[in-house]
Amino acid sequence: DAKTTQPTSMDCAEGRAANLPCNHSTISGNEYVYWYRQIHSQGPQYIIHGLKNNETNEMASLIITEDRKSSTLILPHATLRDTAVYYCIVRVRNYGGSQGNLIFGKGTKLSVKP
Amino acid sequence: DSGVTQTPKHLITATGQRVTLRCSPRSGDLSVYWYQQSLDQGLQFLIQYYNGEERAKGNILERFSAQQFPDLHSELNLSSLELGDSALYFCASSPSGGNSPLHFGNGTRLTVT
Repeated sequence: DAKTTQPTSMDCAEGRAANLPCNHSTISGNEYVYWYRQIHSQGPQYIIHGLKNNETNEMASLIITEDRKSSTLILPHATLRDTAVYYCIVRVRNYGGSQGNLIFGKGTKLSVKP
Repeated sequence: DSGVTQTPKHLITATGQRVTLRCSPRSGDLSVYWYQQSLDQGLQFLIQYYNGEERAKGNILERFSAQQFPDLHSELNLSSLELGDSALYFCASSPSGGNSPLHFGNGTRLTVT
C-alpha cells in the first residue's frame, strides 16, 4: 500500500490560504489521493480526492504533481473553524481491483490563528 | 451531517462484558467500514462489508466481529472487553463501485472500566 508523508503540524493566519503538502512517492498509476480532516473527536470529514488532474470543490483545491509523487491541499481562505487534523490518504484497492478502505496516517495538525 | 448514523453515542461498560455498536449507512450505500481510534493508535481500519459480504479485514481482534444485514445496516460486536478497548469506533459508508469517497458517522465512544 502506498504510504504518505505529511508534516506533523502547521500554522496559518486566519483569512490566508493554507497549503498542506503530502508526499506519496510509491503511489501506483490507478490509485487515488484522498484528503480528509478530523475536527476534535468528530468523524473524519471528506474534503476532496483526485487521480492526476487538479481538482476543486467548494471546500478546497487539490494540486497533484505531474509525476503524482506529491500533492498539495489548498484551503483558499482559512477560518478558525478549519483548525483540525488533515489526512492525506492513498486509497487501497481490494483484491479484484475494486476501491477499498482508507489507511489513515498521523496527518497534519493545522492551527488557524487569528 | 454525513448521513451515516451510529448508535449509541456513548457506552460505558465493565471489563469482560460484551457490547454491540450499530451503524446505519447513507441511503443507497452498499459498503460499510469500521474503524477504531484510540489515543495511542490513531484511526485503525477494522473491517469492510459490501452488500452483506465481508470484503476486507484489517487489524480486527478475534474478540471482535461484525456483520451487515439485508437492510444494509451493520453491527460491530465487541466481547470479553478489556481496558485497552476503550476508544472511539467509527463507521463509514460508500456507494458501490467507482471512486466515491467514504462518509463517516460521528462515532461511538466506548469506555471500559
